[in-house]
Amino acid sequence: SQKIEQNSEALNIQEGKTATLTCNYTNYSPAYLQWYRQDPGRGPVFLLLIRENEKEKRKERLKVTFDTTLKQSLFHITASQPADSATYLCALAAGQNFVFGPGTRLSVLP
Amino acid sequence: DGGITQSPKYLFRKEGQNVTLSCEQNLNHDAMYWYRQDPGQGLRLIYYSQIVNDFQKGDIAEGYSVSREKKESFPLTVTSAQKNPTAFYLCASSMMTGDEQYFGPGTRLTVT
Repeated sequence: SQKIEQNSEALNIQEGKTATLTCNYTNYSPAYLQWYRQDPGRGPVFLLLIRENEKEKRKERLKVTFDTTLKQSLFHITASQPADSATYLCALAAGQNFVFGPGTRLSVLP
Repeated sequence: DGGITQSPKYLFRKEGQNVTLSCEQNLNHDAMYWYRQDPGQGLRLIYYSQIVNDFQKGDIAEGYSVSREKKESFPLTVTSAQKNPTAFYLCASSMMTGDEQYFGPGTRLTVT
């Protein structure tokens, strides 16, 4: 069956460290993948898109990798700050739409 | 000020009543979507529309209905047939299906 998983429901890290979030999928062949940030009680906000022929994408302190062999995407936040605390969702392109993962709640501790 | 709006932010209804959630966008996007989010779960697609006067069922369409009579508007009706309607409902739009999505602030529906 098709499945999309994100590592541990919650992740706590110390301010200044690099946060690494994972997105694993099964029985999908996404041409691209997106990452979103969601704050409590609000709608998700788009962060980055990475295509299957791109190994890595960067935007400021954010970096995304996409390994179609491992069926995995990694999302990194370098020099993390308390303001980065939020839930991060990955979304796979599946046909005409996207399938969202359950999200990882990141807490950056001062 | 371009964006996507949803109203109301909170909605309370009695069981057995139909309720309509509003979604409006002024981004000139062709595609619009409705998702449902339950605690600890990802977004699940209810309905989507690629163009005016056309819409398709998503993964959990049972008990819901939509219309797309105008490009800017994509209202969602939660009918009494929906067994567990209490949830956080999110509307989104994109230039075309498959593009990055812009989400509204959400409507939290509570049915008792």
